[in-house]
Amino acid sequence: GDSVTQMEGPVTLSEEAFLTINCTYTATGYPSLFWYVQYPGEGLQLLLKATKADDKGSNKGFEATYRKETTSFHLEKGSVQVSDSAVYFCALSDSNKAAGNKLTFGGGTRVLVKP
Amino acid sequence: GAGVSQSPSNKVTEKGKDVELRCDPISGHTALYWYRQRLGQGLEFLIYFQGNSAPDKSGLPSDRFSAERTGESVSTLTIQRTQQEDSAVYLCASSTNRAYEQYFGPGTRLTVT
Repeated sequence: GDSVTQMEGPVTLSEEAFLTINCTYTATGYPSLFWYVQYPGEGLQLLLKATKADDKGSNKGFEATYRKETTSFHLEKGSVQVSDSAVYFCALSDSNKAAGNKLTFGGGTRVLVKP
Repeated sequence: GAGVSQSPSNKVTEKGKDVELRCDPISGHTALYWYRQRLGQGLEFLIYFQGNSAPDKSGLPSDRFSAERTGESVSTLTIQRTQQEDSAVYLCASSTNRAYEQYFGPGTRLTVT
């Protein structure tokens, strides 16, 4: 079945540092890929998405490129802020429309940005 | 507008008791999903409802778990004879029929003692 693997945390960074969170997937067909974020005390929310190979999703300074050849969707941000401290989840949705858009999640990566 | 709401926000129950969790999706969203998030782990898909179609129950971990949805509105997830391994945050999400983005509720934290 489908699966998502992302780097384990916690990842601790200083403000303005470069952030990369690795994510790789296995899937049959052509999934859509997502990054969700969970800020402390808040619900899960979509950060960015890409629906086909070579697409780049971007939002709030974060970017991720759908790499079919390496089955990866790594999340990057050039200069993090304290407010980026959160748990980040990589996810994919099944291309089989009969299954709806149910999401398969990675285990989450906690990021802590220190001032 | 109002987002996805879930109740209760926290539930503590004794092993062996039944519990019922509620989800109110965003109005007009035809798709509704339940997920479970165990401590320190990612989310696991449980069940999916789409309009009046038969639900996709492929993620339910045992026959103690069941869910219902009335039309395109409220859904309830029921866990019978709860076990300690059922302790988790149960998240509900909804989406429009053709959209990819799922909007998540705040979750219900279930603790089985």
